[in-house]
Amino acid sequence: GAVVSQHPSWVICKSGTSVKIECRSLDFQATTMFWYRQFPKQSLMLMATSNEGSKATYEQGVEKDKFLINHASLTLSTLTVTSAHPEDSSFYICSARAANTEAFFGQGTRLTVV
Amino acid sequence: GQQLNQSPQSMFIQEGEDVSMNCTSSSIFNTWLWYKQDPGEGPVLLIALYKAGELTSNGRLTAQFGITRKDSFLNISASIPSDVGIYFCAGHTGTASKLTFGTGTRLQVTL
Repeated sequence: GAVVSQHPSWVICKSGTSVKIECRSLDFQATTMFWYRQFPKQSLMLMATSNEGSKATYEQGVEKDKFLINHASLTLSTLTVTSAHPEDSSFYICSARAANTEAFFGQGTRLTVV
Repeated sequence: GQQLNQSPQSMFIQEGEDVSMNCTSSSIFNTWLWYKQDPGEGPVLLIALYKAGELTSNGRLTAQFGITRKDSFLNISASIPSDVGIYFCAGHTGTASKLTFGTGTRLQVTL
């Protein structure tokens, strides 16, 4: 299957700082990338959908100024958590999809804000 | 957002037993997918279903796309310890549309 790489796998940051998470499709061009958030023992909740070269579409209740998404190329999307707070601590997962294919997921990033 | 309902929520089984789990929705989907998630990892696609009534196998896994397009089931035969994990169903109405995830079934296998 296609490979989606997420970096870093885990990160610890101080409250008030910003953290950037990268999502790369290694062997295909991703026309669409998705960002999810997952709390312990819960399902994946979609945060936003991004298409290369255009603004991300955020799900209801997700603050676009807090979770900045950039999809600058067909192989890279980034999620920046700005002014992080402890309640932002979570498991963040990206997925990438080429035209007419199913989505493949990255390995996830565990964010801990202290 | 909308979620698909999965049952059971969790199950403890013995190695060698068969496992069955299902997923229901109030909405119709054109595609049903089954993923497995190991702790601290992203979901991995197991099976994709594209036609109502379709029955598809992948090794010891078998999944079916319900006739009404509002449900799907996943069976695992002769379970082994590495089957441990969380299984999610997911549905979408087209590859350009977003994926809706189920609530998950946590599988634990004992020797």
